[in-house]
Amino acid sequence: ETGVTQSPTHLIKTRGQQVTLRCSSQSGHNTVSWYQQALGQGPQFIFQYYREEENGRGNFPPRFSGLQFPNYSSELNVNALELDDSALYLCASSLAGDSGGYTFGSGTRLTIV
Amino acid sequence: SQQGEEDPQALSIQEGENATMNCSYKTSINNLQWYRQNSGRGLVHLILIRSNEREKHSGRLRVTLDTSKKSSSLLITASRAADTASYFCATAKNSGNTPLVFGKGTRLSVIA
Repeated sequence: ETGVTQSPTHLIKTRGQQVTLRCSSQSGHNTVSWYQQALGQGPQFIFQYYREEENGRGNFPPRFSGLQFPNYSSELNVNALELDDSALYLCASSLAGDSGGYTFGSGTRLTIV
Repeated sequence: SQQGEEDPQALSIQEGENATMNCSYKTSINNLQWYRQNSGRGLVHLILIRSNEREKHSGRLRVTLDTSKKSSSLLITASRAADTASYFCATAKNSGNTPLVFGKGTRLSVIA
């Protein structure tokens, strides 16, 4: 079975730009969650998608948005980038109703200059 | 915001020694999970312990959970240089796909 794949692995953007990060979930998983991890901190929950609908959101502004596609892959979009958005963005997939733990991707390192 | 804290923030031990990391959290939980992260990359799920469990083992890992104290510990026995990584505890309020709330992690260095 394939794991969670994220792209790109690294990205540099300037303030005010927009960015799209992508995630392919593990085979058999139908739920995707996104986390932001600032340097030296633990990951923080951004939002979760199930059946192509947002199914929970953390304390992040509306300029953070997402999509889930019929094949369960997902995108994270961030508009009007700010310097504080520099972080590692992690995608995690799971099977709805299964509390056996999440499978995380390797992340996208986003740097805002 | 972070749910709780891992303790210590950093730990350096010799290969072959045991490593113990502690995690405290603030609210009631359904389960607690431990993850490992190498060099700021993806998280690897190590072990999950449910609120009605007190201890769980997986290979060289032993996890305990004390819900009365809202704390957990992760013990890695006979550590290896390859165990060098950051370790995070994460709590889940409900069962299923509830969002995880992570601590800040413990940075473990195992010296060969």
